[in-house]
Amino acid sequence: DAKTTQPPSMDCAEGRAANLPCNHSTISGNEYVYWYRQIHSQGPQYIIHGLKNNETNEMASLIITEDRKSSTLILPHATLRDTAVYYCIVKAGTASKLTFGTGTRLQVTL
Amino acid sequence: NAGVTQTPKFRVLKTGQSMTLLCAQDMNHEYMYWYRQDPGMGLRLIHYSVGEGTTAKGEVPDGYNVSRLKKQNFLLGLESAAPSQTSVYFCASSYSSAAGTPYTIYFGEGSWLTVV
Repeated sequence: DAKTTQPPSMDCAEGRAANLPCNHSTISGNEYVYWYRQIHSQGPQYIIHGLKNNETNEMASLIITEDRKSSTLILPHATLRDTAVYYCIVKAGTASKLTFGTGTRLQVTL
Repeated sequence: NAGVTQTPKFRVLKTGQSMTLLCAQDMNHEYMYWYRQDPGMGLRLIHYSVGEGTTAKGEVPDGYNVSRLKKQNFLLGLESAAPSQTSVYFCASSYSSAAGTPYTIYFGEGSWLTVV
């Protein structure tokens, strides 16, 4: 699976959009980009995934660059409850395992 | 719908003792996983299973054994606990991805293990 690079930490004001970047310059054509988050030592929670196209669900939007070498997770209106560690992971569709890095610690403040 | 359930949630062991962590999922998932997470670090895969009766090693398998006798259960055993195994353990499960469909992996809430 391709490696990912994320900033170790970010801050965001409550109500503003949180834009979390992820670099995956060695991604292969069959690898998806996944985002999970972990709130204060709870089990990781799935957020969203995508292959080529931008994706949106009730939690977030995922913007993938045309060359697929980077992506951005967007939380459109961050709340205090979005404070968590966010993990960007790339994984082939057929792969059975998720490999976690150290993620980005997002702190949402008043 | 319970999802992925881990027992026990908290346990303190003495060095050299043995114990088993139980993971149960009610989603009829083929794949199951055991991860550990040390303070300030990401999750690391210990062992995983792609089906009943099959198991495979992950990144950090030493000191652990696993069994998948029933599809819905995945057991993680520590035969002789060591302080280095003090960690939070997470179980997870998903449908099979063998056909390339990127199914979501669902995680349990964690089991806190302290070895003194």
